[in-house]
Amino acid sequence: DAGVIQSPRHEVTEMGQEVTLRCKPISGHNSLFWYRQTMMRGLELLIYFNNNVPIDDSGMPEDRFSAKMPNASFSTLKIQPSEPRDSAVYFCASSFGGLGNEQFFGPGTRLTVL
Amino acid sequence: AQSVTQLGSHVSVSEGALVLLRCNYSSSVPPYLFWYVQYPNQGLQLLLKYTSAATLVKGINGFEAEFKKSETSFHLTKPSAHMSDAAEYFCAVSEFDNTGNQFYFGTGTSLTVIP
Repeated sequence: DAGVIQSPRHEVTEMGQEVTLRCKPISGHNSLFWYRQTMMRGLELLIYFNNNVPIDDSGMPEDRFSAKMPNASFSTLKIQPSEPRDSAVYFCASSFGGLGNEQFFGPGTRLTVL
Repeated sequence: AQSVTQLGSHVSVSEGALVLLRCNYSSSVPPYLFWYVQYPNQGLQLLLKYTSAATLVKGINGFEAEFKKSETSFHLTKPSAHMSDAAEYFCAVSEFDNTGNQFYFGTGTSLTVIP
């Protein structure tokens, strides 16, 4: 298995632009998680899906952030409009069976908003 | 509410020395406990997990952790540090409460191995 795939690996954009991060979970996994990692705040869970349905989005910082999972093999995290404080590494992870089970992480997308 | 505390954001050990990374949790019931490792510019990788079976859990790369209910601890150890162990280590806790399943990561401990 290729593991969790994220794209792009690096993204540099200007403030105000729309950013879309993509994730392909491991085949057969039914839970997907989006995390943000920064030096200041550490690792934060933004949102997670179970069977393509958003279960908990309380970690999404504000309305500029949105996430979708149209099918079991694809998810997006969108920031519109982006701001410099959104600069971080965004990780996608997947698991089988939800929060209590091992999560497999992707390599991350390093986002820089100028 | 659940919380995870990792004591020491930075730990340095000499190559060959014992590695001890501390993790304490707060929970009214025994949770599931995990240790993850993050190498530079990579995602997190599971080292080991405790799921109510044996209290001493062995993981990959020679690491192990012991669940101590009386101390609400799940410290990570390795008898002899290798240079390749330099990384960020995260303790994590999963439990089921009245709002459903919850998962919490600690703030991480950066391990430096000195030659």
